[in-house]
This record gives sequence, C-alpha cells and structure tokens, in this order.
Amino acid sequence: EAQVTQNPRYLITVTGKKLTVTCSQNMNHEYMSWYRQDPGLGLRQIYYSMNVEVTDKGDVPEGYKVSRKEKRNFPLILESPSPNQTSLYFCAAGVLSQPQHFGDGTRLSIL
Amino acid sequence: SQQGEEDPQALSIQEGENATMNCSYKTSINNLQWYRQNSGRGLVHLILIRSNEREKHSGRLRVTLDTSKKSSSLLITASRAADTASYFCATTSGGSNYKLTFGKGTLLTVNP
Repeated sequence: EAQVTQNPRYLITVTGKKLTVTCSQNMNHEYMSWYRQDPGLGLRQIYYSMNVEVTDKGDVPEGYKVSRKEKRNFPLILESPSPNQTSLYFCAAGVLSQPQHFGDGTRLSIL
Repeated sequence: SQQGEEDPQALSIQEGENATMNCSYKTSINNLQWYRQNSGRGLVHLILIRSNEREKHSGRLRVTLDTSKKSSSLLITASRAADTASYFCATTSGGSNYKLTFGKGTLLTVNP
C-alpha cells in the first residue's frame, strides 16, 4: 500500500526551539514536497525535491530547510520556529504527470 | 501564488442530490487534479484530467475541463453524507509536471 508517513502528527513547542518533521515514503517516488495549509490561504508549497540531493524553494520557503539524502526521506527543518509558522503541514510524494500521495499531516503550534 | 480558485467556497446539500464545484485558473496548464480532504486529514486524489482532455468520469465523479475558459468543474452525483469534505483543485503548469498549485477549496456538507 502506497504510504507517506509524517511524524509527529501533532507538536506544541516554543519559539526558537529547533524542530524537525520527518516524512517517509514507501513508493520509490522521485518527487517529494512540503506544503503548509492555513485558513483562507489553502495549501502553499514550501520546498520540493526532484530527486536525491536535488531540492528547491517553493512559494513560501522562508524559515524552513529541507534535505534529501536518500530517496525515501524528506525532512522539514525549522531552525528557529516562530509563531507565524503555526500551521498544518503536509508532505507529498509522486512521479511525473501522476497524482501525488499525501501524508496525514502534522499540526504544529509554536508559542 | 494561487492558481486555482474554487467556487463556491461552501456548499450544503441533501443526501441524494448532486454537487457541482467549479475551479478557475489563470495560466495554461499541463493537467488539473481534484483532491478531497476530510476534516484535519491528508488530501486524497480523486481524478486527474490532462489539458487535451475535456471530460473524465470515475464512479460518481465527473470532471470537465474548458481550457478556453480556464475552468473546470467537479460533479458528484447522488451524494452521500460520507462525501462531506473539502474539495480542492490543483494544477501543474509550465515546465513542471510535478508542482501542484492549489486553490482554496470548496467545503461540501452533505446532510443526511
């Protein structure tokens, strides 16, 4: 079964405390990406990766980092989280011209 | 940047009725996809229509695409309470067949 797994599902933390949200896929897909979802704004892409060691900025990359050291994993790193990064985050994986598979989401609250 | 805009923002119908949601977009596309999101959950892909296609069906779903009007519609026939969810259109365009640009979604409520 195709799966994209995100961890943690929920996290409450404080401003400035580095955190990592992990994303793992079991489909050997080249493409992975991160989105954030905010009320009234829909889903916006943060970063994406076309393959191992190939990453690029999406529409809202400020305050985030990513890495793609292996094909199955694409962690999202918040080096110094701030309250405006409180959001619902989704990881997705896919192949060319095909639908993408999404994880169940990570709800981050930064106080 | 937002590409798709769904209309209406919210729709409430009775079980058994049909639900129609519309999506408009701004630039030429490679394909357009519809996703469903149950409250607080991840997005589930429903249907993909390519720019050279005009209509596709999948079960109770019918999607149309009018590239001259830069618009698409999603029709759910004989709706069920379980269809209650948010529905998003997303497009790929330009040189990227990967990057999805989402609209803000339509919240569909199907009352039993």
